[in-house]
Amino acid sequence: DAKTTQPPSMDCAEGRAANLPCNHSTISGNEYVYWYRQIHSQGPQYIIHGLKNNETNEMASLIITEDRKSSTLILPHATLRDTAVYYCIVRVAAGGFKTIFGAGTRLFVKA
Amino acid sequence: DVKVTQSSRYLVKRTGEKVFLECVQDMDHENMFWYRQDPGLGLRLIYFSYDVKMKEKGDIPEGYSVSREKKERFSLILESASTNQTSMYLCASSPPIGMGNEQFFGPGTRLTVL
Repeated sequence: DAKTTQPPSMDCAEGRAANLPCNHSTISGNEYVYWYRQIHSQGPQYIIHGLKNNETNEMASLIITEDRKSSTLILPHATLRDTAVYYCIVRVAAGGFKTIFGAGTRLFVKA
Repeated sequence: DVKVTQSSRYLVKRTGEKVFLECVQDMDHENMFWYRQDPGLGLRLIYFSYDVKMKEKGDIPEGYSVSREKKERFSLILESASTNQTSMYLCASSPPIGMGNEQFFGPGTRLTVL
C-alpha cells in the first residue's frame, strides 16, 4: 500500500470550510484514497473514499488531483465536534485487510 | 447502522494474567480486525479474520492470539499479559471484498497491565 503524508496539525474557525491535504505520490492505479477520523477516546470513523473522481457525501467532499498524487478532504462548515485526528489512507479496495493508519492530521476547530 | 461493540471500555490486569478482549459486530461482516493504538505509533494491526475459524497475522502478532468461533464475534487473547501490552485496543469489521470495504470500529478498550 502507498504511503501518505499529512500535516501534523491544522486549525479552522467554526463555520468555515476545513481543507485537509494529503500527499500520496506513489499511489498505484488500483489504489483508493480513504479518509477516517478519530475523535478523542473513540474508535476511528469512516468518512469517505474515492478512486479518481471527486466524491461527496453527507459528511465531506473528497477532491483527488488528476494525477492522483494528492487529495483534499473538505468539511464544508466545520463545527467544534469536528475536532479530531483525520487519517488519509491509500490501499487497494480488494485487499482491505491491512489498512495502514499513519499519524494523521489533528484538526482543531475553534469558536 | 453498523454496530461494533467491545466488552469493556477500561480494563486493569496484572502481569502474567490471561486476558480476553471480546468484540461483537451486528452487520454480518465477514472481515474482523484487532488493532492496538499507542501514542506516536498510530494504529497497528495485530490479527485479522476473513471468515469463521480463519485468522491471519497482522504486523505485530507476538504475544497475542485470536479466536473466531462465530461470525459475529472476534476475541483477542493475551496469554500472559505484560506491561508493554498496556494500550488502547480497537476492534473493527468490514463487509466482503467489493462492497465498500470501509472498516467500522468499536469504541476501544483501554487496557492497563500493572
